[in-house]
Amino acid sequence: EVQLVQSGAEVKKPGESLKISCQASGYTFIHYWISWVRQMPGKGLEWMGRIDPSDSNTNYSPSFQGHVTISADKSINTAYLQWSSLQASDTAMYYCARLDGFNGVGCWGQGTLVTVSS
Amino acid sequence: QSVLTQPPSVSAAPGQKVTISCSGSSSNIGSTYVSWYQQFPGTAPKLLIYDFNKRPSGIPDRFSGSKSGTSATLGITGLQTADEADYYCGTWDRSLSAGMFGGGTKLTVL
Repeated sequence: EVQLVQSGAEVKKPGESLKISCQASGYTFIHYWISWVRQMPGKGLEWMGRIDPSDSNTNYSPSFQGHVTISADKSINTAYLQWSSLQASDTAMYYCARLDGFNGVGCWGQGTLVTVSS
Repeated sequence: QSVLTQPPSVSAAPGQKVTISCSGSSSNIGSTYVSWYQQFPGTAPKLLIYDFNKRPSGIPDRFSGSKSGTSATLGITGLQTADEADYYCGTWDRSLSAGMFGGGTKLTVL
């Protein structure tokens, strides 16, 4: 069974750093890009960026470029999303997803809730 | 504001049919694939349709997808109260080299 399992909820203060994870199982990790998707409270889905785990090549949405970093460790089938300095506006649910270019079945993680508050 | 335009809400009676539109451009819907997702409050999105009109295993044929030019449409027949959810289209934009989602449509089954 294809699965993406994300790390648990986080509560952080503004200015702190954070790295959340997404572990894949049930398929060959390096064969599919992994995307990250943000959903702010009560709002829609926003595509943030994606990574090719085979070579760590990335694409970012212009809206998120420079504010987050997407990485992967193919030795442990895990993708990451990280911030160096969180802001209150980063409070949201974050999903990792194998979107398969919107041309395949793919898979979604269960989501990681990030709360940034002083 | 999303590059892909969906109506904020649609509604219909149980048993009826509803369509949800997703309007894009030649650099996204017009030249690549579209998927549709269903999301209930507090849960992760679920894939309904991919590659414009294909259904994953387990998705009933009450759900269908189509494309015309730079727009895609999700159709739901035989509406049930359990279909009340938010629906999103998603695609890749070749010009931006980025993925994108529509703003979402809230379906109400009256």
